[in-house]
Amino acid sequence: SQQGEEDPQALSIQEGENATMNCSYKTSINNLQWYRQNSGRGLVHLILIRSNEREKHSGRLRVTLDTSKKSSSLLITASRAADTASYFCASGEAGNNRKLIWGLGTSLAVNP
Amino acid sequence: GAVVSQHPSWVICKSGTSVKIECRSLDFQATTMFWYRQFPKQSLMLMATSNEGSKATYEQGVEKDKFLINHASLTLSTLTVTSAHPEDSSFYICSASSPVEQPQHFGDGTRLSIL
Repeated sequence: SQQGEEDPQALSIQEGENATMNCSYKTSINNLQWYRQNSGRGLVHLILIRSNEREKHSGRLRVTLDTSKKSSSLLITASRAADTASYFCASGEAGNNRKLIWGLGTSLAVNP
Repeated sequence: GAVVSQHPSWVICKSGTSVKIECRSLDFQATTMFWYRQFPKQSLMLMATSNEGSKATYEQGVEKDKFLINHASLTLSTLTVTSAHPEDSSFYICSASSPVEQPQHFGDGTRLSIL
């Protein structure tokens, strides 16, 4: 399947700092989702933003969506060591409400 | 809510063995389940989409006779890796979504090692 792109591929920051990850996609979408994966585990859904929304918040997470640029960003504020994980974006294609197109992921390391 | 249980979490077996992996939605009805394969430090690769009561839709390049998928009920889908070989060793993850909700809910994955 056609994969989206994420940057950076890897990010290392200190606790308390903010982490920003970016995602680009290629097709028209209904929504864009962000997931988190701890090493060796399944994925956990973090947040979903619909194509008619521009920004969404959930706790320390802030997601933006720019459909004109086909891009999204995930901001984690006041990061904690427990935020260390891989983060994936996934776009839900317009006209296909079930299948997701996955980004390559960003590996985040938050150092105590 | 929205818990998906995947079993087993780890399998080690000899080449030529068939291995069955179960994916259950514990507290919701999953009309659609997805099976993914993930290589180390890589993204998810969708193998097939499974709708309850119908044949699975396989992605290009995935052998349907090799990876048998059954979705006989709204809470259970199984993936059977038939006559597994070392190149089938990987991390397999299932996910499920309900008729109403878009997000996919994931199992914890199965690490398959074929000797």
